[in-house]
Amino acid sequence: NAGVMQNPRHLVRRRGQEARLRCSPMKGHSHVYWYRQLPEEGLKFMVYLQKENIIDESGMPKERFSAEFPKEGPSILRIQQVVRGDSAAYFCASSPNSGGELFFGEGSRLTVL
Amino acid sequence: KQEVTQIPAALSVPEGENLVLNCSFTDSAIYNLQWFRQDPGKGLTSLLLIQSSQREQTSGRLNASLDKSSGRSTLYIAASQPGDSATYLCAAPLYNTDKLIFGTGTRLQVFP
Repeated sequence: NAGVMQNPRHLVRRRGQEARLRCSPMKGHSHVYWYRQLPEEGLKFMVYLQKENIIDESGMPKERFSAEFPKEGPSILRIQQVVRGDSAAYFCASSPNSGGELFFGEGSRLTVL
Repeated sequence: KQEVTQIPAALSVPEGENLVLNCSFTDSAIYNLQWFRQDPGKGLTSLLLIQSSQREQTSGRLNASLDKSSGRSTLYIAASQPGDSATYLCAAPLYNTDKLIFGTGTRLQVFP
């Protein structure tokens, strides 16, 4: 019973490039959450998705950031035209139901040069 | 608005001590509260989930309590070990959402 799988674990991009982060939830979990952890800061909510639907994206910047959770395949967090301030650890979590216990992946650490 | 505060920010103790980590939250209308552990460069490991109807939860040497009326939760670690060294985070949901608000954590070091 694999946990939440995130890849890549580390990603380096130059300013202006695109970053794609993938998350496969735990088996049987249809609720996916993305959080961002900036250096020396706490985790901040970005977006909450259920299969094919965005439920809450109130924590996601309006521009350059998008997320999806297709019917088949992993959830994707996409950052277009990355800037240095996007450098952070991006964590995905999944839950079997709304309001349930969250299980986190190991994170994807994005470095923007 | 939900704000979560954790004290102390850092704690260093000798092995074998019993510890109490504190978490306070401003909006008591929560349906649960969750405690996590984060090792350096790693993800979060769920330790305990307390439902709003519960007052405490136990897992091994860990015990978490929840007092909604006072907006507080405590994580009690019995007989601490060097392997307990990590950052401990508590998180409470924003009212009527699935959005977890995290505290900034307590960084624990247990030395032999």
